[in-house]
Amino acid sequence: DADVTQTPRNRITKTGKRIMLECSQTKGHDRMYWYRQDPGLGLRLIYYSFDVKDINKGEISDGYSVSRQAQAKFSLSLESAIPNQTALYFCATSEDRGLPDTQYFGPGTRLTVL
Amino acid sequence: SQQGEEDPQALSIQEGENATMNCSYKTSINNLQWYRQNSGRGLVHLILIRSNEREKHSGRLRVTLDTSKKSSSLLITASRAADTASYFCATDKAGSYQLTFGKGTKLSVIP
Repeated sequence: DADVTQTPRNRITKTGKRIMLECSQTKGHDRMYWYRQDPGLGLRLIYYSFDVKDINKGEISDGYSVSRQAQAKFSLSLESAIPNQTALYFCATSEDRGLPDTQYFGPGTRLTVL
Repeated sequence: SQQGEEDPQALSIQEGENATMNCSYKTSINNLQWYRQNSGRGLVHLILIRSNEREKHSGRLRVTLDTSKKSSSLLITASRAADTASYFCATDKAGSYQLTFGKGTKLSVIP
């Protein structure tokens, strides 16, 4: 079984709709991240959480919100989806041991906003 | 803004050849990592090199780091068709645990 899972894997929605992407992990890691990837671009950080009570904005947080329901679960919400939020979204986790932050990625959610 | 920038953007080689891709970055770093992404899938960590290291090996991978030039290179020796993927460098700036990814190099290995 995958250590980092994302649901749904694919989603098509319409402009203005609220949508939630979910991430679960069984690695026991404290840190979790949400990234988006656009064609020809690298990953850009949306939000990150170092533990359940610690949530931080990343480079491109506008239009997004997150919820850290438990150590293992981190959800990303688009309150009112718009077409330029069409992208591939990745969740990632990492340990918190004061060591270099090697990240473990989920399989991604392909989101299309019409 | 992107911290790391990979070069070239795309690379096509024959199976058995070596593949070299480069990464340049802008500010001082703690560590530099390389990740691999198969088409449309999640990234997988390949190798990490610390700022006080100059070279590191892992199997067919060789990574170098030149902090004076703010650049790194990833060499894949004796490439295989299965190495076809996009490769990203990621840096964590001094004082931060966040990773910043480059735009990637798309490698195609032709059988």
